[in-house]
Amino acid sequence: SYVLTQPPSESVAPGESARVTCGGNNIVSKSVHWYQQKPGQAPVLVIYYDSDRPSGIPERFSGSNSGNTATLTISRVEAGDEADYYCQVWDSSSDQFVFGAGTKVTVL
Amino acid sequence: QVQLQESGPGLVKPSGTLSLTCSVSGVSISDNNWWTWVRQPPGGGLEWIADIFHTGSTDYNPSLKSRVTISLDKAKNHFSLKLTSVTAADTAVYYCARSPSRVAGFDFWGQGTLVTVSS
Repeated sequence: SYVLTQPPSESVAPGESARVTCGGNNIVSKSVHWYQQKPGQAPVLVIYYDSDRPSGIPERFSGSNSGNTATLTISRVEAGDEADYYCQVWDSSSDQFVFGAGTKVTVL
Repeated sequence: QVQLQESGPGLVKPSGTLSLTCSVSGVSISDNNWWTWVRQPPGGGLEWIADIFHTGSTDYNPSLKSRVTISLDKAKNHFSLKLTSVTAADTAVYYCARSPSRVAGFDFWGQGTLVTVSS
C-alpha cells in the first residue's frame, strides 16, 4: 500500500516560516491534503488539492507538490500554529485513504 | 452548515462489538459525498477505517476489513460503523468525516468520541 513519510517534529521561532514535508512515491501524481490538529480537537483541513485553502484559513498557510515530496509552509508562524500536521492522499491503486504519521510543529 | 456528530458506547468489552453512529445535519447523506470513519489511538496518529458513498459503495482499510462494516441509513440521515472482536488496540478516538470526492480532502469532521476497550 501507499506510504506517506513525515518528519516527527519541526521547531520554528515566531515570525519565521515552518516547512512540513510529506514524502511519497511520485506523490506529484496525487492530490495532497493537509490537516491541523490541536490537542483534544478534531483535525481541521488547512490545505486541499495540494495548494488550495478552505475559507477561513489564513493566507500564511500554503502548499506545494512536486516529484516525491509535498510541502506545507506556514509563513510568519504564530504561537497559535503549534499543532500536529497530517498529510493525506487517496491511493487509487489500492482504493484507500492514506494519512502520514504526522508532524508536531513547536513554536519556540 | 454541515455538522457531524458521533454517538455510541464509550466502553466496550474485549471480544465485543464496537458500534458507532454519525448523525449528519446541514446536508443530505444521499448527496454525492463520501462518508468516512477515522480513528486515533491515544497519543497516536490518524488511521482511516472505512468509507461509504451514497450509492452504498464501500472501501475498507485492509488491516481492519475482516472486522469492519460501514453502512448508511438514509431515512435517519446517518451512517454507522461496526467493529467486531475488539481488543485494547482498538481503543481510540473515533471520528466521522465527509469528503466531497475520493480525491478531495475531508472538509467536515465530527468532534470525535473516545471508545475504550476494557473489561
